[in-house]
Amino acid sequence: EMQLVESGGGMVQPGGSLRLSCAASGFTFRSYEMNWVRQAPGKGLEWVSYISSDGTTKYYADSVKGRFTVSRDNTKNSLFLQMTSLRADDTAVYSCARGNTVRLWGLGTPVAVSS
Amino acid sequence: EIVLTQSPDTLSLSPGERATLSCRASQSVYTSLAWYQQRPGQAPRLLIHDASNRATGIPARFSGSGSGTDFTLTISSLEPEDSAVYYCQQRYNWPPITFGQGTRLEIK
Repeated sequence: EMQLVESGGGMVQPGGSLRLSCAASGFTFRSYEMNWVRQAPGKGLEWVSYISSDGTTKYYADSVKGRFTVSRDNTKNSLFLQMTSLRADDTAVYSCARGNTVRLWGLGTPVAVSS
Repeated sequence: EIVLTQSPDTLSLSPGERATLSCRASQSVYTSLAWYQQRPGQAPRLLIHDASNRATGIPARFSGSGSGTDFTLTISSLEPEDSAVYYCQQRYNWPPITFGQGTRLEIK
């Protein structure tokens, strides 16, 4: 069964950092572009970041540029999102998503930024 | 950035009725548009890709149409399990990938 499972979320103070992980299984991870998408409480879907299948091309939403860094380890079928200088408006459930037309989503990991 | 505007924000219909959801793009996305369904507490599910192609396993009552800037998701005969929020998404001009704000469909 194809699956994406996120971890690493939690509660953090403004200005803090978190590193999210996404474990992929059931498909050839290294062949796929990956994205991070977030959903603030009661809100819609917001694209956060993209990484190419080989990890050489990365894009970010303006709202996170300079603060978040996406990476992947194709030997471990894993995707990462390093988040720094976190703000209250980064509070959301963060999900990894396979492809730019997303046929596979994880359930997400919640991030709460609050003092 | 391409802005996607969905209408209506909320739709309340009865089982067996037809639902028509709209997505308008601020500039042409040709047919690079997808529709997703998100039920409460669940991950989004791809319904339609490339404007009019049903994803694997999606019932035939779901159909998509449109090109350029105007797109429609039609659910021909509503079932109770169709109660969800529906999002459109474009991948033509990216980054950023953008989503519409969502349409909440309530089945009475």
